[in-house]
Amino acid sequence: DVKVTQSSRYLVKRTGEKVFLECVQDMDHENMFWYRQDPGLGLRLIYFSYDVKMKEKGDIPEGYSVSREKKERFSLILESASTNQTSMYLCASNLPGTGADTEAFFGQGTRLTVV
Amino acid sequence: SQQGEEDPQALSIQEGENATMNCSYKTSINNLQWYRQNSGRGLVHLILIRSNEREKHSGRLRVTLDTSKKSSSLLITASRAADTASYFCATDAHTGANSKLTFGKGITLSVRP
Repeated sequence: DVKVTQSSRYLVKRTGEKVFLECVQDMDHENMFWYRQDPGLGLRLIYFSYDVKMKEKGDIPEGYSVSREKKERFSLILESASTNQTSMYLCASNLPGTGADTEAFFGQGTRLTVV
Repeated sequence: SQQGEEDPQALSIQEGENATMNCSYKTSINNLQWYRQNSGRGLVHLILIRSNEREKHSGRLRVTLDTSKKSSSLLITASRAADTASYFCATDAHTGANSKLTFGKGITLSVRP
C-alpha cells in the first residue's frame, strides 16, 4: 500500500519556536509538495521539490523554508512560528509530468496550532 | 494563485440523487484531477482527465473536460451518505516537463440519508 506519512497529526507550538514538519513517501516519487489548507481558501502551495537538494517557491513561501536531503523525505520548516501559521499542513508527492499521469498522493495532514 | 475555481461552494442532496460539481480554470493544462477529502484528513485522488480527453468514467464518477471553455464537471451518480465530503479540482499546468498541481477552494457535498 503506497504511503505518504507526515510525522504528526496534531502539533501545538509557541510563538517564536522553530517548527519542523516531516514528510516521508515510499513510492520513489521525484516530486514532493507542501500545501497549507485554511477554511475558505482551499489548498495553497508553499514549496515544492522536483529532486533531491532542489526546491522551488510556491505561492505563499514567506515564513517557511524546506529541506530535501533524501528523495523520500521533504521537510517544512517554520523558522519562527507565528499565530497566522496556525493551519492544516498537507504533504503530497507524485511522478514527474513527462509521459506520466501526475496523480498526487497525500499524507494525512498535520494540524498545527501556534499559541 | 489558485487556478481552479469550483462551483457551487456547497451542495446538499438526498441519497440516490446525482451530484454535479463544476470547475473552471484560467491557463492551459496538461490534465485536470478531482480529489476528495473527508473531514480532517488528507486528500484522496478520484479521477484524472488529460487535456486531449473529453470524458472519463470511473465507477459512479463521470468527469468531462471542455478545454475551449476551460471548465470541467464531476458527476457522482446515485449518491450515498458516504459520499459526504469536500471535493477539489486540481489543474496540472504546463511548467516545462514537470508537474505542479494547483487546487481550487473546494466544494462541500452533503448527502442526506
